[in-house]
Amino acid sequence: EVQLLESGGGLVQPGGSLRLSCAASGFTFRSYSMSWVRQAPGKGLEWVSGIGGSGTPTYYADSVKGRFTMSRDNSKNTLFLQMNSLRVEDTAIYYCVKYGSTSCCSDWGQGTLATVSS
Amino acid sequence: QSALTQPASVSGSPGQSITISCTGTSSDIGGYNFVSWYQQHPGKAPKLMIYDVTMRPSGVSNRFSASKSGNTASLTISGLQAEDEADYYCSSYTTSSTYVFGAGTKVTVL
Repeated sequence: EVQLLESGGGLVQPGGSLRLSCAASGFTFRSYSMSWVRQAPGKGLEWVSGIGGSGTPTYYADSVKGRFTMSRDNSKNTLFLQMNSLRVEDTAIYYCVKYGSTSCCSDWGQGTLATVSS
Repeated sequence: QSALTQPASVSGSPGQSITISCTGTSSDIGGYNFVSWYQQHPGKAPKLMIYDVTMRPSGVSNRFSASKSGNTASLTISGLQAEDEADYYCSSYTTSSTYVFGAGTKVTVL
């Protein structure tokens, strides 16, 4: 059974940083691309970033490009999202998501809430 | 990348069929067969219902079906049931090698 467990969310001031983690199990982690998808309170889903199974390539939504960095440690089956220069509008639940055999997004974690507020 | 266009809400009575549309452009829906649909109940993570335009993951009811024509994809729920009441999102791969979601459709079972 695929399990994705996010952590690292919390309250941070505008301009600050957070590092999200996602511990994966139940599948061969290095064989699958992964993504982060976020959902602002009461709003819809927004794809944030994606990464290949080996760690490259990486892709980002225009809204986070240059501020967020996605990476992975295949030796520890863990996915990361480094979020810098955070803005109030980055406040959201961040979901760790596994790709299926052909495309995103077959399995979702329960999410971690990042709140950017002064 | 602009969000895909979905109706804000769709409703139907138990047993009826409803269809949710999802309109994009030739840079996303029209250009690739990587359209997916997700169901989200309040307070829960989204669940994949359809992938690659028409494919159902194992465990998803065959009451859910989908199609695509040009730049518009559609999800049909047949034999509507109370547990189908949820938000539904479409998504597509794009020419930028990213993904774009629709704004979501609230399905209400009357």
